[in-house]
Amino acid sequence: SAVISQKPSRDICQRGTSLTIQCQVDSQVTMMFWYRQQPGQSLTLIATANQGSEATYESGFVIDKFPISRPNLTFSTLTVSNMSPEDSSIYLCSVEGHGDLSYNEQFFGPGTRLTVL
Amino acid sequence: DQQVKQNSPSLSVQEGRISILNCDYTNSMFDYFLWYKKYPAEGPTFLISISSIKDKNEDGRFTVFLNKSAKHLSLHIVPSQPGDSAVYFCAARGEYGNKLVFGAGTILRVKS
Repeated sequence: SAVISQKPSRDICQRGTSLTIQCQVDSQVTMMFWYRQQPGQSLTLIATANQGSEATYESGFVIDKFPISRPNLTFSTLTVSNMSPEDSSIYLCSVEGHGDLSYNEQFFGPGTRLTVL
Repeated sequence: DQQVKQNSPSLSVQEGRISILNCDYTNSMFDYFLWYKKYPAEGPTFLISISSIKDKNEDGRFTVFLNKSAKHLSLHIVPSQPGDSAVYFCAARGEYGNKLVFGAGTILRVKS
């Protein structure tokens, strides 16, 4: 599977501040995805990020709150803006399979655990 | 509206026995189903998948069964091992590209 890294692995932030999470993949991929897993909940897709175009956001998520960058085929960032305690979650990036891997499957990074005080 | 449901929050199984994790879905447009395993402080790891045109897929100790008429799938792990203890998520891919919809997860505990 693809090797996916995320920075930071965890952070504790004050409300009202912003945090940018980085996702790096070891090979070029067309589509990258950002998910959120709130405490005790399942994974929810925030947005899909394609290189060279604006991210596509799911219902309930907006660009002003979660701006995403996708400058090239191996890297993406997600910013959590103007944070509140409700934003405390694990944030995960994923990529679709490519090469010898089925594009039907997605592979996830290790996640960023965010706590907002 | 939960389109993918895992109704059992947890499951406890003796080592060596079979673990059966269940998943139900409501959207008949889902065409691909996946199972992921997640350990604490790690991202989900892809386990096994099945296309909607099949009813069974097997990979080593893991077998996924799909019953389209019942909109139900299950993951069988046999024999279960203590290292299988994790949270298992069922996910479904819909008609809109590669978006995955996840169930709430089932915590599996395999006792030695």
